[in-house]
Amino acid sequence: LAKTTQPISMDSYEGQEVNITCSHNNIATNDYITWYQQFPSQGPRFIIQGYKTKVTNEVASLFIPADRKSSTLSLPRVSLSDTAVYYCLVGDTSFGNEKLTFGTGTRLTIIP
Amino acid sequence: EAGVVQSPRYKIIEKKQPVAFWCNPISGHNTLYWYRQNLGQGPELLIRYENEEAVDDSQLPKDRFSAERLKGVDSTLKIQPAELGDSAVYLCASSLVGQGNTGELFFGEGSRLTVL
Repeated sequence: LAKTTQPISMDSYEGQEVNITCSHNNIATNDYITWYQQFPSQGPRFIIQGYKTKVTNEVASLFIPADRKSSTLSLPRVSLSDTAVYYCLVGDTSFGNEKLTFGTGTRLTIIP
Repeated sequence: EAGVVQSPRYKIIEKKQPVAFWCNPISGHNTLYWYRQNLGQGPELLIRYENEEAVDDSQLPKDRFSAERLKGVDSTLKIQPAELGDSAVYLCASSLVGQGNTGELFFGEGSRLTVL
């Protein structure tokens, strides 16, 4: 199973771009990288998923270098509502997510 | 479209009592998961169902935990008897696997259990 390492916590001011990096040195060929967001008293919510290079959607971008041993979630111009825990998961999602494991995540706090 | 529905949202019981949690997944989702999340930790998978079959229950403490997914739709997770260490949030998730999709998990709001 690919293990992930990410910072325990990060602080940022409103309006800034926030980058959260995740290390996954033993990622397998068939593994995808997925990020989830979790607010207090709610279940995790899917943010973005990618395999290589760059993926962008309406809320975030995901940068994956060629060796795929790390990935960076980028949140543009954060607001107070982006305060949450962000989880990086690595696994082969094409076959039922049975290998997806949540770590302790990164607690992001946005400061007014 | 309705999301994953869980009940109850909160449950307080005394140790050694039984407790049950119910989950209704998103319509059409063939895969259902039960996770447990302890305070300050990420969710841990307890059991995964493909339709009505439990395909991964390696993390389920089978001496006191049981689960079922009759007819491949709703699911129930039971703990009997509950212990103090079972206090946690129990999350249900569902996904539609196969047919080229990404396998995105959709989570419910969770059931918070407090064992006194």
